[in-house]
Amino acid sequence: ETGVTQSPTHLIKTRGQQVTLRCSSQSGHNTVSWYQQALGQGPQFIFQYYREEENGRGNFPPRFSGLQFPNYSSELNVNALELDDSALYLCASSLGGASNTGELFFGEGSRLTVL
Amino acid sequence: AQSVTQPDIHITVSEGASLELRCNYSYGATPYLFWYVQSPGQGLQLLLKYFSGDTLVQGIKGFEAEFKRSQSSFNLRKPSVHWSDAAEYFCAVKGGATNKLIFGTGTLLAVQP
Repeated sequence: ETGVTQSPTHLIKTRGQQVTLRCSSQSGHNTVSWYQQALGQGPQFIFQYYREEENGRGNFPPRFSGLQFPNYSSELNVNALELDDSALYLCASSLGGASNTGELFFGEGSRLTVL
Repeated sequence: AQSVTQPDIHITVSEGASLELRCNYSYGATPYLFWYVQSPGQGLQLLLKYFSGDTLVQGIKGFEAEFKRSQSSFNLRKPSVHWSDAAEYFCAVKGGATNKLIFGTGTLLAVQP
């Protein structure tokens, strides 16, 4: 069974730039969620994708966007980067729909630094 | 609004001692509750979960947690801590129909030899 994998593991950007983070979900999982974890904080829900559609969003501005592909992998895109976007971005996969229990399987994250 | 509170930011215990990490939640319906552990620079690993039924749930690595509805609590326990348990621990509640989890701010556990 393949776990959740994320890339890149670390990256540095400057203010105003754009970034794309990628996630491959665990085998058999059709739902991907993205979380932002600032230093010293708990993860904050950004949004969730189920069968290629966004079906839940947290309190994040529209410059945070995403995609889910037919193989259930996902991308998180952040435009017009701000210093406060510096964080660990975590992807989690799970079963959605009738199998939804809320149990998430996390990747190791992509650490973004914005200078 | 749904929320999770972990009152202890940092806890230090001696190896072999017992451990209890506190978690209080605010949620209108029957909650789905989780404890995750995060080692430095790593993602989160699920320790245990409560959906319904027996209020004492067993998890991996010798951890257990007890759901107490009257106290809105879901405290994590371990009878004897090992040095490898040093990590950050997060309590979470499932919020609504999606798989959105609401996390507490975490408790950082240090283990003294």
